[in-house]
Amino acid sequence: KQEVTQIPAALSVPEGENLVLNCSFTDSAIYNLQWFRQDPGKGLTSLLLIQSSQREQTSGRLNASLDKSSGRSTLYIAASQPGDSATYLCAASTTDSWGKLQFGAGTQVVVTP
Amino acid sequence: DAGVTQSPTHLIKTRGQQVTLRCSPKSGHDTVSWYQQALGQGPQFIFQYYEEEERQRGNFPDRFSGHQFPNYSSELNVNALLLGDSALYLCASSLGPRTGELFFGEGSRLTVL
Repeated sequence: KQEVTQIPAALSVPEGENLVLNCSFTDSAIYNLQWFRQDPGKGLTSLLLIQSSQREQTSGRLNASLDKSSGRSTLYIAASQPGDSATYLCAASTTDSWGKLQFGAGTQVVVTP
Repeated sequence: DAGVTQSPTHLIKTRGQQVTLRCSPKSGHDTVSWYQQALGQGPQFIFQYYEEEERQRGNFPDRFSGHQFPNYSSELNVNALLLGDSALYLCASSLGPRTGELFFGEGSRLTVL
């Protein structure tokens, strides 16, 4: 069974600093891995999708990497802004259960002005 | 282009009652998945519907059932509500049952008293 862990559960950084968010998973038979953002009481907004054959994906200030051998994905957010304050969730599907995303509990990020 | 829409946004029920939640997928999407998110946790997969059939199911009791209509919209039904069913219920849509990028709605917040 795929298990996804996100550490730390929360972090606070000053505006302008780069953010590094970690995600680890137990089953390396990844089908794909997706990063989401969630604002309080709201739904999930897709940030980046990494297919199993890819090593990284980039969108604007966001870059996500995938290392299946070590069971890790990292989300980098460059030059953080107060508007980046939210909870960030990673989720992975596996090749034998590709229709199901297994989520981590998320990292709550606060960017202070 | 309308994204994933869910209704109702909030509702309050009492123990033992039944509830129906509704979801319209993103335009062009034919697959709908449902997730339950308890406060402070990551979403948990309930089930996925494709071609009007339940394709995959998570670890939820039979009190949770669903349906997909020919226009790809979907309903989630929960019978004999328990206090522990209080959560944010999220609907996600995708193109095809093999998860590419999932797009989520804003969710339905269910409170069971």
